[in-house]
Amino acid sequence: GDSVTQMEGPVTLSEEAFLTINCTYTATGYPSLFWYVQYPGEGLQLLLKATKADDKGSNKGFEATYRKETTSFHLEKGSVQVSDSAVYFCALSDPFNTDKLIFGTGTRLQVFP
Amino acid sequence: NAGVTQTPKFQVLKTGQSMTLQCAQDMNHEYMSWYRQDPGMGLRLIHYSVGAGITDQGEVPNGYNVSRSTTEDFPLRLLSAAPSQTSVYFCASSLRGTSGDRTQYFGPGTRLLVL
Repeated sequence: GDSVTQMEGPVTLSEEAFLTINCTYTATGYPSLFWYVQYPGEGLQLLLKATKADDKGSNKGFEATYRKETTSFHLEKGSVQVSDSAVYFCALSDPFNTDKLIFGTGTRLQVFP
Repeated sequence: NAGVTQTPKFQVLKTGQSMTLQCAQDMNHEYMSWYRQDPGMGLRLIHYSVGAGITDQGEVPNGYNVSRSTTEDFPLRLLSAAPSQTSVYFCASSLRGTSGDRTQYFGPGTRLLVL
């Protein structure tokens, strides 16, 4: 079945460092891809999304490009801040039931000053 | 505009007890769903609904029951709580259709401990 694989965390960085969180997926058809962020004690919020191959989603300095050839959607940010500390989830929409989301296991990011 | 609300925020149950987790949204979203979040396993879909009167099972439905009598509310019932149901539960909602913002909006979660 469809699935999402994320790099295990925690990812620990100093402020202003470059961030990459890897995400690869397996899907039949052409799903939409998402990154959600969960700040401590809160629910998930959509960070960015891409709906077709070669699309780039971006928000709050974060970017991810939908790479069909490598089935990847890696999250990047050029300069992280302490306030970016959170858990990041990669997800895809079920190609045959686009209401449903399939999540990766999440990657915890810790940014220190 | 409250978005997606969940109650309670935290609950402790004894094995065998039943309870209902409440979820409500005020965005007139057709699609609502329940997930559980466990360490190392991400979010797993329990049940979902595409509109009032329509529900379906997700990935891990056993031990849970849902109903959707109104567009706004989507309660999750634990019939006989078990320690394996200790988890954080999230409700989410979104619009349906092929256009417009179909982003899923999540509630703040309910942390459940079953002893």
